[in-house]
Amino acid sequence: QQQVKQSPQSLIVQKGGISIINCAYENTAFDYFPWYQQFPGKGPALLIAIRPDVSEKKEGRFTISFNKSAKQFSLHIMDSQPGDSATYFCAANEAGNTPLVFGKGTRLSVIA
Amino acid sequence: DGGITQSPKYLFRKEGQNVTLSCEQNLNHDAMYWYRQDPGQGLRLIYYSQIVNDFQKGDIAEGYSVSREKKESFPLTVTSAQKNPTAFYLCASSIPVWSFYGYTFGSGTRLTVV
Repeated sequence: QQQVKQSPQSLIVQKGGISIINCAYENTAFDYFPWYQQFPGKGPALLIAIRPDVSEKKEGRFTISFNKSAKQFSLHIMDSQPGDSATYFCAANEAGNTPLVFGKGTRLSVIA
Repeated sequence: DGGITQSPKYLFRKEGQNVTLSCEQNLNHDAMYWYRQDPGQGLRLIYYSQIVNDFQKGDIAEGYSVSREKKESFPLTVTSAQKNPTAFYLCASSIPVWSFYGYTFGSGTRLTVV
């Protein structure tokens, strides 16, 4: 049973465009929602994270939007650059209780 | 610099052989984790440990074993019982299991059965 469903599996965006990756979850006890960025041959690195008490969090060109009632959250990358080409993972857990569960990942390619 | 060191970077295993993947951290983190990554499958949890001398099974623990004798070290053994061990293995650590500060990952070990 997949606890965090991520889409799309792959995404191609023009340089300067907006990249949008979506995730949905079922467990209403989840209260921590991070996004990780992974380059080939490397481990994932924390990009940005949100808790359900806010609906949006922005850090530079990266924004998380969170919809608690729909149990969905998304990553928006503004002004996408070729250097953003990587695999992105959403994740979630019950803080204080369980390890992170990850989505299956989205491979983003930003083309010039 | 603080971080997580995984070794070796590449590992080849013969059929029926046990192999051990090393994971060492100098971040003074209490919790450590092993994830397996396969193409299109995301990261799946194998084992995790919250404190020394204690660990719990994750979603895909069959065919794997771990130990946590020191806070800094969390080695993973892939046994001959693991029928499809070819994958990218990632070790991570965090302050406690309930950390809001995220996980720090190592650079991974790519295991191939030959």
